[in-house]
Formats: sequence, structure tokens, C-alpha cells
Amino acid sequence: EIVLTQSPATLSLSPGERATLSCRASQSLSIYLAWYQQKPGQAPRLLIYDASNRATGIPARFSGSGSGTDFTLTISSLEPEDFAVYYCQQRSNWPPMYTFGQGTKLEIK
Amino acid sequence: QVQLQESGPGLVKPSETLSLTCTVSGGSISSYYWNWIRQPPGKGLEWIGYYSGSTSYNPSLKSRVTISVDTSKNQFSLKLSSVTAADTAVYYCARHITTYFDYWGQGTLVPVSS
Repeated sequence: EIVLTQSPATLSLSPGERATLSCRASQSLSIYLAWYQQKPGQAPRLLIYDASNRATGIPARFSGSGSGTDFTLTISSLEPEDFAVYYCQQRSNWPPMYTFGQGTKLEIK
Repeated sequence: QVQLQESGPGLVKPSETLSLTCTVSGGSISSYYWNWIRQPPGKGLEWIGYYSGSTSYNPSLKSRVTISVDTSKNQFSLKLSSVTAADTAVYYCARHITTYFDYWGQGTLVPVSS
């Protein structure tokens, strides 16, 4: 089973600052990694798929990069609505299954 | 616009079977992959399984899980047997396309308690 490890667990920043979130896989994923944002009481929202493609309607300040085992989600200039929990997610081919990282909480400093 | 809505009992007793239904609107359930994902209170996300003609389940839950589809109602369902308090979670239904989940239901909290 592929394990995804996210770091840091908590990131404290101020609006306007740049946020860099990391996701490391225990085995190579090629580019098949997605990122989600979750706010309290809401379902996760797809931000990035295939490592670097923004989902429909996602602002340009969100970007994803990486391949293999190391991936990064960058928020170029934090807006107040960006403070939330972020999860990375991958799909394994065999057995076919999906796993999520444990999440990074982005909080207001 | 595809929309998903979970429904089911709000409380399940230990050792019983948890049953939930997801109603899909704005698109046909005959295409794509239809998933259940859960999140225990204050914890992370766990994929349970999907249906798309065939099924695939999380190995850790496989012995207790059944996911099925009713195409006439554009719905798919989850059954999780022999539940314990550890199965208390918000249960989400979601659609996946290739390798990621693009549409999610709002989620429903299912406590397991006597």
C-alpha cells in the first residue's frame, strides 16, 4: 500500500503570504496526485489533479508541482478564505484503491 | 452540473448494518466511477470503495462492504456490516474520473451507538 505523508501538519501564516505544502509518497506515483481543500462542515473540494492541473473554477494563486514521490501545493498569496485543511490523494493500480494523506491544516497566524 | 446527495438512517447500533444511498442528479450513473469515502470526526479521509460495472473495495474493509447501483433511480448504495464505534464517521459519496474525485456529496454523519 502506498502511504502519503504530508508536511507540515500545521502551517501558520498571514494573509498575503506564500504557502508551500508538501506531500511525499512511499512509492513513485508518476504524476497521478490530486489536492483537495476542506473547510469545517464541508466536503473536500478538488483543487489540483494530475499533480499540476487546476480544477475548474480554481483561482490561479493555487498551483501544484512535482512527480514521482515528491509533490508540492503552492498558494502564491493567501486570501482569508484559503485557511482550511488540505489533503493530497493518489490512486494505486493494483489493488485498485485510493489513499489520502493525513492533511495539513493551514491556519491564520 | 452533477450533484450528489447522501441519505440514510442517522444512527446505527453496534453489530448492525449501516446502509446509505447516494442520489445522483445532473448526469447518468451509467458512466464514471461512484465511490464512498468516510471521515471520522476530527480525522482524515478514508476511501471505502467504488462501483463502475464492477466493484473495488479498500482491503481493510472489504469483508464488510457492499456497494451496488440502481440505474433506474440513478442511485448507488453502501452497506457496511457488523459496525462498531470505530465506524462512526461522516460518509461522503463521490464521483471519480480517472484518478481523482471531482464531485462530492455534502456528507452525512452516521454515529454508531446503542
